[in-house]
Amino acid sequence: DVVLTQTPPTLLATIGQSVSISCRSSQSLLHSNGNTYLNWLLQRTGQSPQPLIYLVSKLESGVPNRFSGSGSGTDFTLKISGVEAEDLGVYYCMQFTHYPWTFGGGTKLELK
Amino acid sequence: EVQLVESGGGLVQPGRSLKLSCVASGFTFNNYWMTWIRQAPGKGLEWVASITNTGGSTYYPDSVKGRFTISRDNAKSTLYLQMNSLRSEDTATYYCTRAPPRTYWGQGVMVTVSS
Repeated sequence: DVVLTQTPPTLLATIGQSVSISCRSSQSLLHSNGNTYLNWLLQRTGQSPQPLIYLVSKLESGVPNRFSGSGSGTDFTLKISGVEAEDLGVYYCMQFTHYPWTFGGGTKLELK
Repeated sequence: EVQLVESGGGLVQPGRSLKLSCVASGFTFNNYWMTWIRQAPGKGLEWVASITNTGGSTYYPDSVKGRFTISRDNAKSTLYLQMNSLRSEDTATYYCTRAPPRTYWGQGVMVTVSS
């Protein structure tokens, strides 16, 4: 199975600070069709996960452009350029290039 | 607006069965693969099952293969998850999702497996 390792597990930030979350895969997520199936999700406390980024770097509708995704192969990054209070919660990466689809262990973003 | 509304959760004894339903609206249901994803209390996310848009193919991780069955009724825009031989480790919130690359998630339904 593909293991997705997210770092850091906890991220302390102040409002307005820029932060990055890393997601490293145990195998390349480049599919034979040329796509890389890596998404990012945010789960606020008590809510269902909310999609943020799909296919590594494409922003979901309604997601603020302070969020951005980048990477290729086995190394991926989610960046938040100027944290706002509504961004707090747990961030997950997920891959669906290989079966079984798998998720990272999560990164909890908290206020410092 | 895309909506996914799950139902059918509850408390069930180990070894028993339960069937979850998910009614979809706001998109052309029969154009999309669908997926169930679960989250044990205080834990991360786990993919449970996927089904193609026609229902012709299904996919499962080893943890549920042979016990869970995903199915769909495109005429009713409804997704199902039949769960048999339930175990305590199946206790989780189950989310109905439109499959990637662009996902939509329901609010989830809680399943508790306990005697």
